[in-house]
Amino acid sequence: DTGVSQNPRHKITKRGQNVTFRCDPISEHNRLYWYRQTLGQGPEFLTYFQNEAQLEKSRLLSDRFSAERPKGSFSTLEIQRTEQGDSAMYLCASSSLGGSGNTIYFGEGSWLTVV
Amino acid sequence: AQSVTQPDIHITVSEGASLELRCNYSYGATPYLFWYVQSPGQGLQLLLKYFSGDTLVQGIKGFEAEFKRSQSSFNLRKPSVHWSDAAEYFCAVAPRSSGNTGKLIFGQGTTLQVKP
Repeated sequence: DTGVSQNPRHKITKRGQNVTFRCDPISEHNRLYWYRQTLGQGPEFLTYFQNEAQLEKSRLLSDRFSAERPKGSFSTLEIQRTEQGDSAMYLCASSSLGGSGNTIYFGEGSWLTVV
Repeated sequence: AQSVTQPDIHITVSEGASLELRCNYSYGATPYLFWYVQSPGQGLQLLLKYFSGDTLVQGIKGFEAEFKRSQSSFNLRKPSVHWSDAAEYFCAVAPRSSGNTGKLIFGQGTTLQVKP
């Protein structure tokens, strides 16, 4: 039984560079979520997909951030022109469709350090 | 504004002692309620959740939580803490109006340290 997989697990990049994270959800999970967690804080919702459709984006998701889920399976989160404030752990989660009663399962996260 | 408050940033308990972590929420209607645990550098694991019914919820690893509507609280408890319980604990809510139990609002977290 494979859980939510994220890679890379760690990324160090220079300010101004672009980075991309990948998330592979649990097989057959229709919904996929991205969260961001900074040190000492709880995770914050960024966006979510239902199949390939991006249904909601948080105000935290600036124009430099873009997320895709082209075939309704894996998803990518790209950050363009990274800034030091983007340093955080980016968490992916997935769930099956069904509204209330369904649990979301988190991956182990991708750490981003912008230097 | 909707919010989740975990009043205790850091708690230290002795191994074998009981534990209670506090969580209060501010919402117009009772949201879906969750507790997650996070080990250093790792993702989050669901301990338990409350959607409806019995207000005392049993979870994994011997944890339980009690929903109290009158106090807008969902406190996490464990009768006897083990050293392996040392971690960060997050309370989270999802508004029922959204119909989406994956769009969570998290508290700031409580760091649990266990003394031998």
